[in-house]
Amino acid sequence: KNQVEQSPQSLIILEGKNCTLQCNYTVSPFSNLRWYKQDTGRGPVSLTIMTFSENTKSNGRYTATLDADTKQSSLHITASQLSDSASYICVAVNDMRFGAGTRLTVKP
Amino acid sequence: DGGITQSPKYLFRKEGQNVTLSCEQNLNHDAMYWYRQDPGQGLRLIYYSQIVNDFQKGDIAEGYSVSREKKESFPLTVTSAQKNPTAFYLCASSIDLLVGTGGFNEQFFGPGTRLTVL
Repeated sequence: KNQVEQSPQSLIILEGKNCTLQCNYTVSPFSNLRWYKQDTGRGPVSLTIMTFSENTKSNGRYTATLDADTKQSSLHITASQLSDSASYICVAVNDMRFGAGTRLTVKP
Repeated sequence: DGGITQSPKYLFRKEGQNVTLSCEQNLNHDAMYWYRQDPGQGLRLIYYSQIVNDFQKGDIAEGYSVSREKKESFPLTVTSAQKNPTAFYLCASSIDLLVGTGGFNEQFFGPGTRLTVL
């Protein structure tokens, strides 16, 4: 069964700290994986997309990695800000299979 | 939220009633989608449309219906047959269809409608 699993379910960090969110997928065939940020009560907004041939891609303080061999992706957030508090969702695009998300809370 | 609007933002429905959620986009996108989001679960695809007058069932279409009479509009009707309709509903669009194609185009989401059955 095609699945996308994210960990941790929730995470609390202090402002200015870094964190890494994980996404494991078993989707096949796999073409690309996208990371979204979703503020509470709003629609998701795309952060980045990773193809199977890419290892690392950065978008400001967000850096996504992809290991096609182990079928794992991560999203690293550097120097967190209060506005980073949101849910972060990964999706295997070919199957439109969404993970349940990681709820990140950044505290002052 | 790009150029996608959803209305209303909050909707309350009595059991046994049908209700229609509105979704409009001004992005000139061909493909449109409806998702349902429940706490602790990923977004689940209800219906999608590749082009006007064409739509396909997603993973959880039972109890829902859609129409695509205009390119910019893709309303979703939650019927009384949907046993657990209370959820957050998200509409999305993309330049072309992403389901089964693995395309690189971005999927833009609306602000969502929270439906509560009383």
